Amino acid sequence: DIQMTQSPSNLSASVGDRVTITCRASQTLSIWLAWYQQKAGKAPKLLIYKASILESGVPSRFSGSGSGTQFTLTISSLQPDDVATYYCQQYNVYPLTFGGGTKVQIK
Amino acid sequence: QVQLQESGPGLVKPSQTLSLTCTVSGGSISSKNYYWTWMRQPAGKALQWIGRIYSSGTTNYNPSLESRVSISMDTSKNQFSLQLNSVTAADTAVYYCVRDAYQTSSLDSWGQGTLVTVSS
Repeated sequence: DIQMTQSPSNLSASVGDRVTITCRASQTLSIWLAWYQQKAGKAPKLLIYKASILESGVPSRFSGSGSGTQFTLTISSLQPDDVATYYCQQYNVYPLTFGGGTKVQIK
Repeated sequence: QVQLQESGPGLVKPSQTLSLTCTVSGGSISSKNYYWTWMRQPAGKALQWIGRIYSSGTTNYNPSLESRVSISMDTSKNQFSLQLNSVTAADTAVYYCVRDAYQTSSLDSWGQGTLVTVSS
């Protein structure tokens, strides 16, 4: 299985800060990576697919970049509604696998 | 807008079979554009892909669970189902049914999830 490693595992930032989450894959993925947001007690929600394409309806402060084995999710201006755990997921090889998650909180 | 809803027992005894059904509304599971997938998430842990089924009935399973899992579909009811045999406490998790939009390489619609506890 492809191992997905996210960092940091926890993040605390102020409203308006730029936040970056990193995801590293144990094998090359090309661009077959997605990002999800999961709020407490809720199902995950798709944010970005194919590494950098914003899902319809997702605020433009979210962006994704990267290819190969290293990817980033950036929130350009952190908002209170962004408090959640964020997961990366590879879609290059089955079984699909997820990172361990990054919990984002407001300082 | 497609909606997915899981249903089934919330408590299963060890060694027995976990059975869940996902009812899809607002879209057809016969669509050629999607796979229909089961995921799970133990408390405080990351998501795990269990397996998927296509409109043709073709299935793929996570090798770590393949000996115990079966996914099926009932197109007349627009439902797909999960069976997991010989469960243990390690199978306690929130189970999600998910639409896999393989053309965009993403899991684009999720059910709300259902907690299944394995305990005697």
